[in-house]
Amino acid sequence: DTEVTQTPKHLVMGMTNKKSLKCEQHMGHRAMYWYKQKAKKPPELMFVYSYEKLSINESVPSRFSPECPNSSLLNLHLHALQPEDSALYLCASSQEEYYEQYFGPGTRLTVT
Amino acid sequence: GNSVTQMEGPVTLSEEAFLTINCTYTATGYPSLFWYVQYPGEGLQLLLKATKADDKGSNKGFEATYRKETTSFHLEKGSVQVSDSAVYFCALSRASGTYKYIFGTGTRLKVLA
Repeated sequence: DTEVTQTPKHLVMGMTNKKSLKCEQHMGHRAMYWYKQKAKKPPELMFVYSYEKLSINESVPSRFSPECPNSSLLNLHLHALQPEDSALYLCASSQEEYYEQYFGPGTRLTVT
Repeated sequence: GNSVTQMEGPVTLSEEAFLTINCTYTATGYPSLFWYVQYPGEGLQLLLKATKADDKGSNKGFEATYRKETTSFHLEKGSVQVSDSAVYFCALSRASGTYKYIFGTGTRLKVLA
């Protein structure tokens, strides 16, 4: 099973809302990632967790807050977002950091 | 620095045509190379990979060979189908000095019936 699941599939939120994106994998992978993808662009790395510890933060604004409660779960907490944060948010996992990555279907986020 | 360059798209082909999507890279050390495919409205799927020079990755009729002498990893398929219409991303990881994944800009493929 090489499945990474993400919920919700779509999310519309106002600039004052707080919401969370969830990601789950059951492949025993020890590295998990959040990416942001704008239309017609490649994914941009946001955060990397390795063995449940934050390994990389690509200078992401603090309105995005990642959390890794256990080795199978990854959350992205959203607060006070801007319209330009509207994008497809992709979660990925890999056996170890930067081995081949397996992506989830993404959450399409719209900030109004 | 490390980088991946892909051919500009879109690439438009008729069904059963031969496909080549060019990918060249700049990296120190011995990176691993990947091709990912993204269908409309979906996440990225790993299509194939190669971890050392002269390795050939293959999957679903697609092939790519890791050519260190030309720093290339071109994607090929002998006979494309309408269902192959998607965006294809070339990527590398584990170059010296960084473990980051580096993606190319993506090449959109459109296959006409």
